[in-house]
Amino acid sequence: QKEVEQNSGPLSVPEGAIASLNCTYSDRGSQSFFWYRQYSGKSPELIMSIYSNGDKEDGRFTAQLNKASQYVSLLIRDSQPSDSATYLCAVKERRFGAGTRLTVKP
Amino acid sequence: DTGVSQNPRHKITKRGQNVTFRCDPISEHNRLYWYRQTLGQGPEFLTYFQNEAQLEKSRLLSDRFSAERPKGSFSTLEIQRTEQGDSAMYLCASSSKWGSGSAEQFFGPGTRLTVL
Repeated sequence: QKEVEQNSGPLSVPEGAIASLNCTYSDRGSQSFFWYRQYSGKSPELIMSIYSNGDKEDGRFTAQLNKASQYVSLLIRDSQPSDSATYLCAVKERRFGAGTRLTVKP
Repeated sequence: DTGVSQNPRHKITKRGQNVTFRCDPISEHNRLYWYRQTLGQGPEFLTYFQNEAQLEKSRLLSDRFSAERPKGSFSTLEIQRTEQGDSAMYLCASSSKWGSGSAEQFFGPGTRLTVL
């Protein structure tokens, strides 16, 4: 079992829709979780971090964490074509999933 | 704040040669990380430093790989006797965290290695 698993996608949503990205992890003792966005040919850039169970909102982005289910998700509201990228889930800051490629169609 | 810088940005080498990459972190950051990323995959953790101490090295990392961070400033990653399978993007990241726990990382632009 991989430490961090994500659906590879691609995930395609129309502009203005909600995009939902999911991540599961194997280490039950993990305490910190991060979402990064990576545009093609660029380095990852941090979107959000979450440490406690529940939801954390930042603008159009909401991270959700459920430690009992070992599950973390990222919701992107009002998706824009500029959100088209690969979204990486990271656990304990240095264990990354393979990423989910998101395409937002105008 | 100039961000994380990496040099060179591109490196082409022949199989069997040694290569060395440099990373300059954000100046006030005490943690420095090295990752390797291949197409379609997420960053694969290689090693990380807190100040000059190397705190963790991936068990999957070959003995051909070595990293240093003298004086807790810049870091170098050396690959000896390169193999074609070493071709990848090598990413460096830094963060500011004291004590235990995790912190947000800031990534450099990466060094793309091609082994012929």
